[in-house]
Amino acid sequence: DTAVSQTPKYLVTQMGNDKSIKCEQNLGHDTMYWYKQDSKKFLKIMFSYNNKELIINETVPNRFSPKSPDKAHLNLHINSLELGDSAVYFCASSQDRNTEAFFGQGTRLTVV
Amino acid sequence: GDSVTQMEGPVTLSEEAFLTINCTYTATGYPSLFWYVQYPGEGLQLLLKATKADDKGSNKGFEATYRKETTSFHLEKGSVQVSDSAVYFCALRKGAGNMLTFGGGTRLMVKP
Repeated sequence: DTAVSQTPKYLVTQMGNDKSIKCEQNLGHDTMYWYKQDSKKFLKIMFSYNNKELIINETVPNRFSPKSPDKAHLNLHINSLELGDSAVYFCASSQDRNTEAFFGQGTRLTVV
Repeated sequence: GDSVTQMEGPVTLSEEAFLTINCTYTATGYPSLFWYVQYPGEGLQLLLKATKADDKGSNKGFEATYRKETTSFHLEKGSVQVSDSAVYFCALRKGAGNMLTFGGGTRLMVKP
């Protein structure tokens, strides 16, 4: 029944490691996103992926790379993790600009 | 660029009090406007939305009216409950990628 699901829910890792967060949506939406929520609850868009077109927020370091094996999945791979990457990462999907985005439960990443 | 500004929290109210959370936006054209709610430990859920000027979004006793002349989308509820305690995010969607731009979030605490 879950519309947008992310795994894992919690991720604790050491600096310098490479990690991935997976996201799947079963809503048939064409567009998927990754958002980052920092410790002060600020939410910022990282990526939007629509039918093989990737739109990148240019403030995102290139250590972050989204990968979409198909329309229902948008995974987030992070290389050389840094302390400042610690945050909650939310995946979302939507059909178009006039319909709401559905969010996953979030993945709390802690880099130590 | 597009931006959303919300009143800073936390907002602390007694049960059954009237709630207003202010939200103003800066954007060219005609964005769609949204309010999302994040309950403790959970992801974001759409609360209500409006897609054109003078539209009123409503859900669960919450209301917000899209005011283009004042570029505002203030959230109101006539009588809050303890269960309304959460962080509320105002957001707009416009442009390529259908990405949401969020305000900073406002934490609401309702006391019995």
